[in-house]
Amino acid sequence: RKEVEQDPGPFNVPEGATVAFNCTYSNSASQSFFWYRQDCRKEPKLLMSVYSSGNEDGRFTAQLNRASQYISLLIRDSKLSDSATYLCVVNVMVANNNAGNMLTFGGGTRLMVKP
Amino acid sequence: NAGVTQTPKFRILKIGQSMTLQCTQDMNHNYMYWYRQDPGMGLKLIYYSVGAGITDKGEVPNGYNVSRSTTEDFPLRLELAAPSQTSVYFCASSYGHTNEKLFFGSGTQLSVL
Repeated sequence: RKEVEQDPGPFNVPEGATVAFNCTYSNSASQSFFWYRQDCRKEPKLLMSVYSSGNEDGRFTAQLNRASQYISLLIRDSKLSDSATYLCVVNVMVANNNAGNMLTFGGGTRLMVKP
Repeated sequence: NAGVTQTPKFRILKIGQSMTLQCTQDMNHNYMYWYRQDPGMGLKLIYYSVGAGITDKGEVPNGYNVSRSTTEDFPLRLELAAPSQTSVYFCASSYGHTNEKLFFGSGTQLSVL
């Protein structure tokens, strides 16, 4: 089983639609969770962190379900500019590891918003 | 600030050739990383560094080497290029292990033929 698993998509949605992605993680010791956005042939950029109580940033809502070990990203009122790949990222703090910040990336979910 | 700068953007190597991917950051970040991304896959950590003079292996270090002589620079060396190293390489940095926001360079598309 992959450590961080995502549906690769693509999710094809019309402008204005609401779309949601899920991401499952295998390590119950995972402590921090993030969504990164990656445009085609570009570097990933942090979209938002995911907090235990859930959090919202404009049209984007992120939620964490520790019991079921998944996080979700909801995008409301989709825009053409939301077309990208969304990477789920999980941080497991490893004891005696200098990096501390050992991030594991999912394979990404591709979103295509159509006019 | 330029952020994280990677060079070159593209490179084609023959099997057995060697090359160095350059990475520099001007944000005074302690932590630097090298990732590779294969098509349709997530980023996999090759090597990382927590400060000048300190480097350590990530998930997929075989076939690569790194050095960190300064805070700013973190070059990645491929000694004997193999087709399996065809990938997109990203350098990243972060301030510290409690600040999980990674700043990425624009990537290097490497093909080994």
